[in-house]
Amino acid sequence: GAVVSQHPSRVICKSGTSVKIECRSLDFQATTMFWYRQFPKKSLMLMATSNEGSKATYEQGVEKDKFLINHASLTLSTLTVTSAHPEDSSFYICSASSGGWTEAFFGQGTRLTVV
Amino acid sequence: GEDVEQSLFLSVREGDSSVINCTYTDSSSTYLYWYKQEPGAGLQLLTYIFSNMDMKQDQRLTVLLNKKDKHLSLRIADTQTGDSAIYFCAESIHGGNNDMRFGAGTRLTVKP
Repeated sequence: GAVVSQHPSRVICKSGTSVKIECRSLDFQATTMFWYRQFPKKSLMLMATSNEGSKATYEQGVEKDKFLINHASLTLSTLTVTSAHPEDSSFYICSASSGGWTEAFFGQGTRLTVV
Repeated sequence: GEDVEQSLFLSVREGDSSVINCTYTDSSSTYLYWYKQEPGAGLQLLTYIFSNMDMKQDQRLTVLLNKKDKHLSLRIADTQTGDSAIYFCAESIHGGNNDMRFGAGTRLTVKP
């Protein structure tokens, strides 16, 4: 399958700072990228869907000003957690597809810990 | 409760069969999936089944669907240590990527 690389795999940051997570499709053009969050022992939850060159579509209950998503190229999407707080500590996963209905390939995830 | 539920842990001995179970709440679910996540890697689609099917077999993997009970299972025959991973169940109504709802994942540990 296609390769999606997510970076960093782990990050610890101080409360109040911002953290950027990158998601790259290495061998295909990702028209659509998806960002998920997983709290311990809970389901993987879709946060937002982004199409290259457009504003992201956020799921209900996800603050768009807190979780900034940029998808400026066909191979890169970034998620910035702004003014992070301990409750933002979670596992964040991205996936990418060449279209909304084609198989999406997942990154390995980023474990964010806010102290 | 969660829309898709699965037990968090399963431990089996090498050579035994593993059965990972999943229940979901939406009777409109049309597509049901199993993903595998190995350490340090992304979720990888293992197999999927349409809601009009009861069973799907692919080599050592057998997927069973009980639509009436909204219960999905993944059986791995002759489980190997390389099968140790986290297995995610997911369902979708329309088959789109933004339409998928995942469980929390079952961590399968295979002991030698």
